[in-house]
Amino acid sequence: EAQVTQNPRYLITVTGKKLTVTCSQNMNHEYMSWYRQDPGLGLRQIYYSMNVEVTDKGDVPEGYKVSRKEKRNFPLILESPSPNQTSLYFCASSHGGREQFFGPGTRLTVL
Amino acid sequence: ELKVEQNPLFLSMQEGKNYTIYCNYSTTSDRLYWYRQDPGKSLESLFVLLSNGAVKQEGRLMASLDTKARLSTLHITAAVHDLSATYFCAVDMHNFGNEKLTFGTGTRLTIIP
Repeated sequence: EAQVTQNPRYLITVTGKKLTVTCSQNMNHEYMSWYRQDPGLGLRQIYYSMNVEVTDKGDVPEGYKVSRKEKRNFPLILESPSPNQTSLYFCASSHGGREQFFGPGTRLTVL
Repeated sequence: ELKVEQNPLFLSMQEGKNYTIYCNYSTTSDRLYWYRQDPGKSLESLFVLLSNGAVKQEGRLMASLDTKARLSTLHITAAVHDLSATYFCAVDMHNFGNEKLTFGTGTRLTIIP
């Protein structure tokens, strides 16, 4: 089944404790992206990747890192999480110029 | 900066009625998407509109795109309870390889029996 998977789905952590949210897709998509969704602010892009080893910042990259060592994986790293990073995070992937498929989401709470 | 506006933000309608959700965007683009999101769930792709005048229909939903007016509509025909969800339009600017989607604020649709 074609899909985008994320792990974990839910995470409660404390300020400053490094964490990684994994994202994997099995559709051989070149393009992958991370969004965060916040009430009243909608979905905003954090980082994106056009292909392996090619990443760049989106609209709200502060406090986040990404890597793209393999085509199928695009992890989101929070080196020192803060409460303002409490949000619902979505990974998405697509072939160039096509619709984007979204993962199930990761609900992160930083205390 | 691209802005995407949806109207209305909230919509409560009776089963069997028709209604339209509007999506206006501020900068020229020829790729517009409609997504559905159920509470606590991911975004499900509904329609991909790639050219001026594009019209797509799936069941009770029909989407259209007017790139000259920078307007897309999502029309609901004879609404049923299963259509209750939040609907987003999103515009793709595809600048320099970034296929960033700029989303509207969403329309929360509630169908009342």
